[in-house]
Amino acid sequence: GENVEQHPSTLSVQEGDSAVIKCTYSDSASNYFPWYKQELGKRPQLIIDIRSNVGEKKDQRIAVTLNKTAKHFSLHITETQPEDSAVYFCAAITSGTYKYIFGTGTRLKVLA
Amino acid sequence: SAVISQKPSRDICQRGTSLTIQCQVDSQVTMMFWYRQQPGQSLTLIATANQGSEATYESGFVIDKFPISRPNLTFSTLTVSNMSPEDSSIYLCTVGRTGGTEAFFGQGTRLTVV
Repeated sequence: GENVEQHPSTLSVQEGDSAVIKCTYSDSASNYFPWYKQELGKRPQLIIDIRSNVGEKKDQRIAVTLNKTAKHFSLHITETQPEDSAVYFCAAITSGTYKYIFGTGTRLKVLA
Repeated sequence: SAVISQKPSRDICQRGTSLTIQCQVDSQVTMMFWYRQQPGQSLTLIATANQGSEATYESGFVIDKFPISRPNLTFSTLTVSNMSPEDSSIYLCTVGRTGGTEAFFGQGTRLTVV
């Protein structure tokens, strides 16, 4: 089955700097890769996603890149702000089963 | 999008008892899943709730411990049976549509077993 690894587990950046979180997946049949943000005590919320037929997607300060050959994808947050502080989860979904397999999470702290 | 109502939002239960968590979606969805999130941890898939048939459980989870029902395309229940303190966790109902798209989460049930 699918396995998703996520690094780093914690990340501290100064406000205004960029943050990068990386995930690798094992199942080459996975074709959808969302990123979720979870604030303390709240449910995960989708912030950006990418499909396997696209290499990069950007939405304002957030971007995701996908390397299908290497089976890894990354979340990029530019010009970080204190409100970006949260836990971020990547996920991979395999066509057919549609199960969402989540990475282990990255706790991002943006220091003012 | 999908609006998910999950209840109870939290409960404190005695060990050895069972708790049933309900998940109601405002529209028909193809996929319904139950996840567990232990404090500070990631989301672990317990099972896929299949409409009209037995749920599909992930490794490490069994039907006797986590029986699941899904009588229709908008409703599912997860029961945590014969609870022990190790079952203390947040349980999340999650739904998705076919084709591999965004997953929507219920607000979660915070379970404490004493």
